Amino acid sequence: EDQVTQSPEALRLQEGESSSLNCSYTVSGLRGLFWYRQDPGKGPEFLFTLYSAGEEKEKERLKATLTKKESFLHITAPKPEDSATYLCAVQARGSYIPTFGRGTSLIVHP
Amino acid sequence: EAGVAQSPRYKIIEKRQSVAFWCNPISGHATLYWYQQILGQGPKLLIQFQNNGVVDDSQLPKDRFSAERLKGVDSTLKIQPAKLEDSAVYLCASSFPGGGRGFRTDTQYFGPGTRLTVL
Repeated sequence: EDQVTQSPEALRLQEGESSSLNCSYTVSGLRGLFWYRQDPGKGPEFLFTLYSAGEEKEKERLKATLTKKESFLHITAPKPEDSATYLCAVQARGSYIPTFGRGTSLIVHP
Repeated sequence: EAGVAQSPRYKIIEKRQSVAFWCNPISGHATLYWYQQILGQGPKLLIQFQNNGVVDDSQLPKDRFSAERLKGVDSTLKIQPAKLEDSAVYLCASSFPGGGRGFRTDTQYFGPGTRLTVL
């Protein structure tokens, strides 16, 4: 059974204080790993898809990396508008079902 | 480009009542998904459609949940009868098939969701 564990559950940062969110996964053959951002009262917003170990993708202050067992979402010099819940999901080869983690709630204080 | 539309945004019902949710995907998106997101958890896929056919409904509680996507465009999800544990946000997402690399890891675009409270 595919499993996704995200840590920490919650993270409070000061504006400009860089940090990383972790997504550990167990899947029988990775088709893709996804990162989403979810603001309160809204649906998840797609950020990145990673396909293989060693792959990295960047978007503004966010950088996602992937190993064979986990993925990191690095946030560089965060701003208050980066406050949201960040969700990680994996999809196994041969499956149409993505498995989501519980998310990391990030709050960035000005 | 208009996003995924869902209605209603909020619904409060009593247990054993019926409820229906509506979703209109992004124009041209052949794949449509319904998710259930319980407070504090990640979304759980209930059913996936490709055009008007079901791709996967293995996680849909078929004794009380049903979904249809007539004409391959908009879709409805129904719960009949509702239970207390059905209280959640119901998310609809759509994607355009063809994720590259020879297999489908399509980018999913989510709607705002319908928050259901069952009393």
